[in-house]
Amino acid sequence: QKEVEQNSGPLSVPEGAIASLNCTYSDRGSQSFFWYRQYSGKSPELIMSIYSNGDKEDGRFTAQLNKASQYVSLLIRDSQPSDSATYLCAVNSAENTNAGKSTFGDGTTLTVKP
Amino acid sequence: DVKVTQSSRYLVKRTGEKVFLECVQDMDHENMFWYRQDPGLGLRLIYFSYDVKMKEKGDIPEGYSVSREKKERFSLILESASTNQTSMYLCASSSRRVIRNEQFFGPGTRLTVL
Repeated sequence: QKEVEQNSGPLSVPEGAIASLNCTYSDRGSQSFFWYRQYSGKSPELIMSIYSNGDKEDGRFTAQLNKASQYVSLLIRDSQPSDSATYLCAVNSAENTNAGKSTFGDGTTLTVKP
Repeated sequence: DVKVTQSSRYLVKRTGEKVFLECVQDMDHENMFWYRQDPGLGLRLIYFSYDVKMKEKGDIPEGYSVSREKKERFSLILESASTNQTSMYLCASSSRRVIRNEQFFGPGTRLTVL
């Protein structure tokens, strides 16, 4: 079992719809959770971070964390074609927190169709 | 604006050549990382460093070495390049001084070994 798993995709949604990206992790001691966006041929860039249970909203993006279920998700409202990218989920476990190491999922590729 | 830079965006080398990939960050981060990214395999950690002259093996260190003589600079060395090292190489850095330590990525180097 992978330490961080994402729904494999690809995910396709129409413009204006809500895109839902999911991630599960195996280490119950994980403390920090990140979503990165990676455009084709580019490097990952951080778009959301979340550290406590519940929702965190930033513009059209909402991250949701449920530590009991070991689940973190990213919702993109009013999806735009410019949101088409691969989204990487990353988790810092308790052991790795001090080292600043993240475990990355393999990513989910999102396509938003006009 | 925080920045991680890599010495080359594209590099073409021949089998058996010694290859140096350089990464510099201006954020005074303690941690630096080298990843390679291949289609379908996600981000794989090669080496990381949490301090000057310190290094730790990641998941796929074979065929690679690293050097960190200064805090801001982390070099990846391919002692004798092989065709299976053709890949996108990504450098990242993060702070150890905060618990919530996301990684900042450089633009990447696409290496082709012929």
